[in-house]
Amino acid sequence: KQEVTQIPAALSVPEGENLVLNCSFTDSAIYNLQWFRQDPGKGLTSLLLIQSSQREQTSGRLNASLDKSSGRSTLYIAASQPGDSATYLCAGRGSGGYQKVTFGTGTKLQVIP
Amino acid sequence: GAGVSQSPSNKVTEKGKDVELRCDPISGHTALYWYRQSLGQGLEFLIYFQGNSAPDKSGLPSDRFSAERTGGSVSTLTIQRTQQEDSAVYLCASSFERGAEAFFGQGTRLTVV
Repeated sequence: KQEVTQIPAALSVPEGENLVLNCSFTDSAIYNLQWFRQDPGKGLTSLLLIQSSQREQTSGRLNASLDKSSGRSTLYIAASQPGDSATYLCAGRGSGGYQKVTFGTGTKLQVIP
Repeated sequence: GAGVSQSPSNKVTEKGKDVELRCDPISGHTALYWYRQSLGQGLEFLIYFQGNSAPDKSGLPSDRFSAERTGGSVSTLTIQRTQQEDSAVYLCASSFERGAEAFFGQGTRLTVV
């Protein structure tokens, strides 16, 4: 059974700082890993998707990496802005059967102006 | 439509009443997921559809919860005899069968009073 853990649960940083969010998964047989952002009271917005054959994906100030062998993914946010404040969730899609998606518990980020 | 659509966006119901939540996935997406997010909690998997069949319904909390999908498109999640602990945001997501991103709707906020 896949378990996905995110550390830290909450993070507060000053504006402009670079930061890394961590995601760990127990079953390395994942098909892909996706990072989402969730604003309070809102649904999830997809940020980046990394296929199992890839090691990283970049979009603007965001860079996500994937290391299947160690069961880890990181989301790097460069030059953080107050608008980045949200909860960040990672989700692993299984490679077998019906490819169940398992979510982590999230990291709540606050960027202080 | 362009995205995953959920209705209603908000629902307040009396304890003991039945409710139906609707999800319209992105056209052509064969995979559809329902999740529940209680206040301050992570995403709890409820059920997964591939086409009209549900290979994994292991997350449904009790037999008061059921879901169906027709025509490989619209899905409804039904909660019978609602209880206060059913209060949560119910999120629906869809994706292509293999490897593509999962896209989420904005959710239905259910409040049982």
